[in-house]
Amino acid sequence: QSALTQPASVSGSAGQSITISCTGTSSDVGGYNLVSWYQQHPGKVPKLMIYGDSKRPSGVSNRFSGSKSGNTASLTISGLQPEDESDYYCFSYTRTHTYVFGTGTRVTVL
Amino acid sequence: QVQLVESGGGVVQPGRSLRPSCAASGFTFSYDPMHWVRQAPGKGLEWLAVISKDGRNQDYADSVKGRFTISRDNSKNTLYLQMNSLRAEDTAVYYCAREGRGDGGSWGFYEYWGQGTLVTVSS
Repeated sequence: QSALTQPASVSGSAGQSITISCTGTSSDVGGYNLVSWYQQHPGKVPKLMIYGDSKRPSGVSNRFSGSKSGNTASLTISGLQPEDESDYYCFSYTRTHTYVFGTGTRVTVL
Repeated sequence: QVQLVESGGGVVQPGRSLRPSCAASGFTFSYDPMHWVRQAPGKGLEWLAVISKDGRNQDYADSVKGRFTISRDNSKNTLYLQMNSLRAEDTAVYYCAREGRGDGGSWGFYEYWGQGTLVTVSS
């Protein structure tokens, strides 16, 4: 049950687009269409941003989008805004009927 | 509206036990699998355990297997996490989360989380 690999930090200027990667294996990310993404501001409860690899819950801005290629899932934030500055985690079901989070990415808006 | 309210955290000595709980309301509790997730101070999220909607099946992270037990009482709309042989590295905020069901039959994600309960393991 190794954590999925995410970059420790990603930054971008306001208005730009950034992409956060989440790398796993064929036993988790690549084996199921069940990657979800969470945004967590300091001291706050995580918020669901994407589920089912690329589905956006109602109420989540369409600036957030998810995709996947092989064993790597990605979260793209378009038109970066100051309120997007936060920690982001990917999450996946695994072949052993367990679940695993990514290592987390701190997004900074320059 | 959906509410998940954890309680039962606190300060406990190494080697001792604790049983946080999660009271659910605003939805039919027995319809959904439930999970526990934790976050150590300044660290990332860690998945701990899941229990099926009828309570018959559980799965655990290797880090807590054999020490922690997830259970539920559907008559009381309450989820539990029995934590035994606690260690300093178990110090964290513990969250309960409801597993969601989405478009196209998707599952295995969390639309609703509790506010968390802090467990501190220290002598």
